[in-house]
Amino acid sequence: DTAVSQTPKYLVTQMGNDKSIKCEQNLGHDTMYWYKQDSKKFLKIMFSYNNKELIINETVPNRFSPKSPDKAHLNLHINSLELGDSAVYFCASSPYTGGTEAFFGQGTRLTVV
Amino acid sequence: AQSVSQHNHHVILSEAASLELGCNYSYGGTVNLFWYVQYPGQHLQLLLKYFSGDPLVKGIKGFEAEFIKSKFSFNLRKPSVQWSDTAEYFCAVNAYGSSNTGKLIFGQGTTLQVKP
Repeated sequence: DTAVSQTPKYLVTQMGNDKSIKCEQNLGHDTMYWYKQDSKKFLKIMFSYNNKELIINETVPNRFSPKSPDKAHLNLHINSLELGDSAVYFCASSPYTGGTEAFFGQGTRLTVV
Repeated sequence: AQSVSQHNHHVILSEAASLELGCNYSYGGTVNLFWYVQYPGQHLQLLLKYFSGDPLVKGIKGFEAEFIKSKFSFNLRKPSVQWSDTAEYFCAVNAYGSSNTGKLIFGQGTTLQVKP
């Protein structure tokens, strides 16, 4: 069983569209994250949720809106997609908020054309 | 702000060569340290971690890392690499008590290419 799963794995869409990426973890963790990996493979945190509550919101355009219906799910909705949004988006989870390691999903490669 | 620096961006080795990848971080307080590996087209997997105790930590697949607090370093080593170690390696830090507590701050990554 996949511990942290994201769908879709690949997403190609046109500029201006709205799209969502879904993430689910079956590890029983309290904390979930969204990370963005750019074309140079640099990883940067976008959001963190602890038990459905937003706790970290980095400087991310408000076109990006995370939603956590329960602590096992953290979805990412992106409005009005731009070329610069093209990247690989990783969902991750950890047992709690703090210094513990994160477990990553397979990533969603988003290409905006 | 805290940062993580990986000095080697692209490393090419022959099989059986020894590996050392450098990682330095900037934060004077308590840190948890991690090395992740990303095989081509795959997600990040944890190689090893340091929270406290023995500064020499052993991870999976024969990797180890040494935490040197005075040098703010957490270098990754492997005595003999294999072709299957070809991947991207990321050092990451969680800085307790800082504005970045709860976040993993990643280095830029090092691409390791092992030639058979």
